[in-house]
Amino acid sequence: DTAVSQTPKYLVTQMGNDKSIKCEQNLGHDTMYWYKQDSKKFLKIMFSYNNKELIINETVPNRFSPKSPDKAHLNLHINSLELGDSAVYFCASSQGQGAIGRYEQYFGPGTRLTVT
Amino acid sequence: AQSVTQLGSHVSVSEGALVLLRCNYSSSVPPYLFWYVQYPNQGLQLLLKYTSAATLVKGINGFEAEFKKSETSFHLTKPSAHMSDAAEYFCAVSDWRYSTLTFGKGTMLLVSP
Repeated sequence: DTAVSQTPKYLVTQMGNDKSIKCEQNLGHDTMYWYKQDSKKFLKIMFSYNNKELIINETVPNRFSPKSPDKAHLNLHINSLELGDSAVYFCASSQGQGAIGRYEQYFGPGTRLTVT
Repeated sequence: AQSVTQLGSHVSVSEGALVLLRCNYSSSVPPYLFWYVQYPNQGLQLLLKYTSAATLVKGINGFEAEFKKSETSFHLTKPSAHMSDAAEYFCAVSDWRYSTLTFGKGTMLLVSP
C-alpha cells in the first residue's frame, strides 16, 4: 500500500502548455511539500502546506500553483511551461511542522517532467 | 539561514570496505538532521535522523551517523559496503519553524566488486 503516490510518473509536454501533477498520501499526515530536483540532482523546496494552508512558497514563479483540496492531497499545476521547468518533482508529507520538524518526511516516487 | 555541505560528489569503495560519507551543516538553532538515500529513478528513503536525543544514530541497512556539535558534522558510515548500497545519498537539515528540508548536493556512492 503506497504511502505517498504521484501521478503521472513521466510527463512529456511542449513549451507553453499547462500541466498538473497529483499527489496523495495515506499516512494521515498534516503537512505536505513539493520539492524540485534539477538535472544535477539538487533538491529544493518549492511549497509547504499544513492542513490545506500554504505555509511556504520558496520564490517559485507564479506559474506554479499548488492546490490542496484536502489534507491528503496536494496537487501542482504549472502554467505556460518553460524548458527550465524540466526536472523531477517530488511530493512529500510529514506528521507536523514547526518545532515538530524532527519528524521525517516521506517522499513519493517523483514525476519526471520533460518540456520540449 | 541553514545550509548543508556534502564533501565529495562521488565516493568509490570496494565491496566489504568502510563507507564514510561526509556532511557538515550550518544552523543557528539546534538542528534536526537527516540522511536520505535515492536509488536510480526512485524517490527518497529515510536512512536515519538526529533529533537531539542520542548523538550516535543507527539507521536502516547497517548505516549509522554521529552528530558532533563541535565540528558541525553528521557523517554517515557503514562498516562494510554491499553492492546494493550503490546509490545517491543526501544529507538534510530541517527548518525549525516550517520543517522544510534543506538538502546537500548529494554524494553518489559507487561500490565495486
